[in-house]
Amino acid sequence: DAGITQSPRHKVTETGTPVTLRCHQTENHRYMYWYRQDPGHGLRLIHYSYGVKDTDKGEVSDGYSVSRSKTEDFLLTLESATSSQTSVYFCAISEGSDRGSYNEQFFGPGTRLTVL
Amino acid sequence: QQPVQSPQAVILREGEDAVINCSSSKALYSVHWYRQKHGEAPVFLMILLKGGEQKGHEKISASFNEKKQQSSLYLTASQLSYSGTYFCGTASGGSNYKLTFGKGTLLTVNP
Repeated sequence: DAGITQSPRHKVTETGTPVTLRCHQTENHRYMYWYRQDPGHGLRLIHYSYGVKDTDKGEVSDGYSVSRSKTEDFLLTLESATSSQTSVYFCAISEGSDRGSYNEQFFGPGTRLTVL
Repeated sequence: QQPVQSPQAVILREGEDAVINCSSSKALYSVHWYRQKHGEAPVFLMILLKGGEQKGHEKISASFNEKKQQSSLYLTASQLSYSGTYFCGTASGGSNYKLTFGKGTLLTVNP
């Protein structure tokens, strides 16, 4: 299994508070992603990173920011959490090799976030 | 725009076959398939690239019709362990890094 951990695994917070989720990888993969998963919606991309300090928005980026200061860590921040951000958040990584063209994504165990 | 998966749900008996479809309105570079069991993370099954290359598990087969922007996942002689939600993820624009996932197909295999 790919070495991906997420912390915390569960969190309950109140509306208006800041929240930071951490994704850590030991695979030295170039690409890292944050998804949210909600019933009836599948997996939706929030932000992704293609290198240290290189990030881009996904389809549901409003209300979220990210940072990547090291290859192994990708942080997702909710500046002021809202109840609509209650979800399961998955981090994923892919090799992003220029040589290969597959770049399958490997997912972390997920973080269940509840905003009251 | 999310790709459309069909059916939304399917129930099988062990040993039966199933086909899950994924359709996009955009020209596709690749299609990725994942399986997720309840309470767990999605797990990679297969990638199909424009041009015919593919990579995946030995017991899983799939097809990719580039002209129709459609892919199908074939599950033959199903086992109880095949139960879960299957997602297709599509990539467009010549790159393989950014995926848009469908809403999933729930597969239940009963004894």
